[in-house]
Amino acid sequence: NAGVTQTPKFRILKIGQSMTLQCTQDMNHNYMYWYRQDPGMGLKLIYYSVGAGITDKGEVPNGYNVSRSTTEDFPLRLELAAPSQTSVYFCASSFNRLAGDTGELFFGEGSRLTVL
Amino acid sequence: AQSVAQPEDQVNVAEGNPLTVKCTYSVSGNPYLFWYVQYPNRGLQFLLKYITGDNLVKGSYGFEAEFNKSQTSFHLKKPSALVSDSALYFCAVRALPGRRALTFGSGTRLQVQP
Repeated sequence: NAGVTQTPKFRILKIGQSMTLQCTQDMNHNYMYWYRQDPGMGLKLIYYSVGAGITDKGEVPNGYNVSRSTTEDFPLRLELAAPSQTSVYFCASSFNRLAGDTGELFFGEGSRLTVL
Repeated sequence: AQSVAQPEDQVNVAEGNPLTVKCTYSVSGNPYLFWYVQYPNRGLQFLLKYITGDNLVKGSYGFEAEFNKSQTSFHLKKPSALVSDSALYFCAVRALPGRRALTFGSGTRLQVQP
């Protein structure tokens, strides 16, 4: 199993550009999440999804959009990139109905985004 | 609203000495508590969790944590630190019942000196 896979690992954007961070998981997890990590701030939840077709806002959703058309994929879209969106982005997943709610999240390796 | 506090930005300890990384939490309902570790340029790796039962939980790499309900704490401990334990450690919480997303603390950097 690959677990949670994120692409790209690194990206530099110019102010005003748009891009999509890709995330896919092969653990048949129902829940998927996007967090951003800023130095000294821990991880902040951007968006999450409880299943295909269902998404909801987290703590810091402004400037981002998500979609969940399949169980496996949960892309994060940045529209009109701003310097404040310079961060490391982590995708995570959890909860396989057959295995039950073990609680922990499984994380990808992260995508480092710089907006100049 | 739920929250996690990690009061120390950095903890320094000599190799072979015991280590403690502190965490306190605030949540409505029963807490699920977690510790994760992050090595440079990597994702977060799960270390251990408390859901119910024994207040002392054991996890990966010899780490353990003690749940204290009255002090709303979940401190991470290890009897004998290794240089390879040097990393960034995050405490996280969710409420049961409640949303499955975790709320994270700001992280504590552990430095183990040879």
